[in-house]
Amino acid sequence: NAGVTQTPKFQVLKTGQSMTLQCAQDMNHEYMSWYRQDPGMGLRLIHYSVGAGITDQGEVPNGYNVSRSTTEDFPLRLLSAAPSQTSVYFCASSWSNSNQPQHFGDGTRLSIL
Amino acid sequence: AQKVTQAQTEISVVEKEDVTLDCVYETRDTTYYLFWYKQPPSGELVFLIRRNSFDEQNEISGRYSWNFQKSTSSFNFTITASQVVDSAVYFCALSEGSRKLSFGAGTTVTVRA
Repeated sequence: NAGVTQTPKFQVLKTGQSMTLQCAQDMNHEYMSWYRQDPGMGLRLIHYSVGAGITDQGEVPNGYNVSRSTTEDFPLRLLSAAPSQTSVYFCASSWSNSNQPQHFGDGTRLSIL
Repeated sequence: AQKVTQAQTEISVVEKEDVTLDCVYETRDTTYYLFWYKQPPSGELVFLIRRNSFDEQNEISGRYSWNFQKSTSSFNFTITASQVVDSAVYFCALSEGSRKLSFGAGTTVTVRA
């Protein structure tokens, strides 16, 4: 069972570069989301999607874009990387009900120089 | 305002001691869900338990137990007879009607042999 797959696992960028973090799930989950994890701050929601073609902002959306063209994929785009975006990024998916636990990918460790 | 507060930043115990992790949440919804996740040193996020706002029955699962009290807005987690493998960061999270998950800052548990 693949579950939630994130690529790449590690990435180093220079300030101003753009890149896309990939997230794919094979559980046919409607709900997908992106979080960033910073020391002492837990996980903070960046963007989320309740289904294909529908996305919305979370707590810290600035500097990031998302799209959801299929149920399976939910890529996160950094438009112009900044050192403040150095973080560990987690993608998650779940069934649409809010009582369902989210399944997380293994994370992408991103460093912006 | 922080919706989920984990006041303990770090806890260090000797193996076989009990560990209780505190979680206090804030919500105006009458229907909500609470979760505990574990993040071992390898970095993945592992779902441990879910509780809904209508179920205050406490639960024991092996060495883990949970104490949910609506009157004090608390959802505490206890590890009995801790083991080195319990060393991890533990996150409490709240899901309200919007399905967005709000995480606490996490408590780092270190179990020494």
